[in-house]
Amino acid sequence: DAKTTQPTSMDCAEGRAANLPCNHSTISGNEYVYWYRQIHSQGPQYIIHGLKNNETNEMASLIITEDRKSSTLILPHATLRDTAVYYCIVRVRGGADGLTFGKGTHLIIQP
Amino acid sequence: DGGITQSPKYLFRKEGQNVTLSCEQNLNHDAMYWYRQDPGQGLRLIYYSQIVNDFQKGDIAEGYSVSREKKESFPLTVTSAQKNPTAFYLCASSIVGTAFIYEQYFGPGTRLTVT
Repeated sequence: DAKTTQPTSMDCAEGRAANLPCNHSTISGNEYVYWYRQIHSQGPQYIIHGLKNNETNEMASLIITEDRKSSTLILPHATLRDTAVYYCIVRVRGGADGLTFGKGTHLIIQP
Repeated sequence: DGGITQSPKYLFRKEGQNVTLSCEQNLNHDAMYWYRQDPGQGLRLIYYSQIVNDFQKGDIAEGYSVSREKKESFPLTVTSAQKNPTAFYLCASSIVGTAFIYEQYFGPGTRLTVT
């Protein structure tokens, strides 16, 4: 699986959009970008995934650059409950051999 | 409600004792996983199983053992051979196959403390 690079931590004001970047310059053509988040002392939660098109669901939007070497997760109106560690993961679709988690980005939403 | 249950939430053991962590899912998922998380770190894969009666080692399997006798259950035993067993243990499950998005569902975790 391709390696990802994320900032260690970020702050965002409540009500603002939180933009979390991820670099994955070695991504291959059949690898998807997945985002999970982990609220303190809980299990990670799936957020969104994409291949090359921008994606949106009820939780977030995912913007993938045209060359697919980086992506941005957008939480449009951050709330205090969005404070968590966000993990960007790259892997092929449908694999069943586990996920590779880096240290992620600790997003802190400020009141 | 469908989901993954892990019990207990907190577990304390003396050094040298084996301990088994429970993981049950009612999502009808074929694949199940065990991860370990240390403070400030990401999750690391211990073992995974794609089908009943079959499992594979992950990145840090030494000192751990698993069984998969039923589709719904994937218990993890932390043996006395595991040198640093104190950690947060997370179980997950997923459907498998290239037609699927590979979303993993995680349980609430068990925090194991060995003294």
